[in-house]
Amino acid sequence: DIQMTQSPSSLSASVGDRVTITCRASQSISSSLNWYQQKPGKAPKLLIFATSSLHSGVPSRFSGSGSGTDFTLTITSLQPEDFATYYCQQSYSTLTWTFGQGTKVEV
Amino acid sequence: EVLLVESGGGLVKPGGSLRLSCAASGFTFNRHSMNWVRQAPGKGLEWVSSISSSSTYIFYADSVKGRFTISRDNAKNSLYLQMNSLRAEDTAVYYCASDSSSYFDFWGQGTLVTVSS
Repeated sequence: DIQMTQSPSSLSASVGDRVTITCRASQSISSSLNWYQQKPGKAPKLLIFATSSLHSGVPSRFSGSGSGTDFTLTITSLQPEDFATYYCQQSYSTLTWTFGQGTKVEV
Repeated sequence: EVLLVESGGGLVKPGGSLRLSCAASGFTFNRHSMNWVRQAPGKGLEWVSSISSSSTYIFYADSVKGRFTISRDNAKNSLYLQMNSLRAEDTAVYYCASDSSSYFDFWGQGTLVTVSS
């Protein structure tokens, strides 16, 4: 199975900060990488698919980049509603979908 | 509006069984693969199982293979997860999620399964 490793596991940030979260795959997954946001007690929501495509309704301050094994989620100007946990997911092998362990963005 | 509503969670003893349901609306259910994803308390997301639109292809995580069975009824716009031989480590919130081939675009609100004596 393809393993996904996120870093950091958590980070502290302030409103207006630029935040970067990385995700590394155990093997090349081309551009088959998605990002989800989850707030406490809520279901995850799709943010970005195929490395850099924003899901409908997602603000443009979110962006994604990378290819192969190394990927990045960037929030250019952190807003109060962005404090949440973020997960990457590989979609290269859809026989067994795998998620990263999550990155909690907190104040 | 896309809506996925899970039900069927609850408290069950180790070794017991439970059947989860997910009612879908607001999209063409029979054209989408569907998934179950779970999240243990305080932990991350774990994919559990997938089923293709016509039930031709079914996949399971190793952690549930042989114990869980995914199914769907396209006439009822419903997804199911039959869980047998439940263990304490199966305790989690279980989400159903629709699948647009390469990402999970919509998720239900989840249903809590607690396995405890």
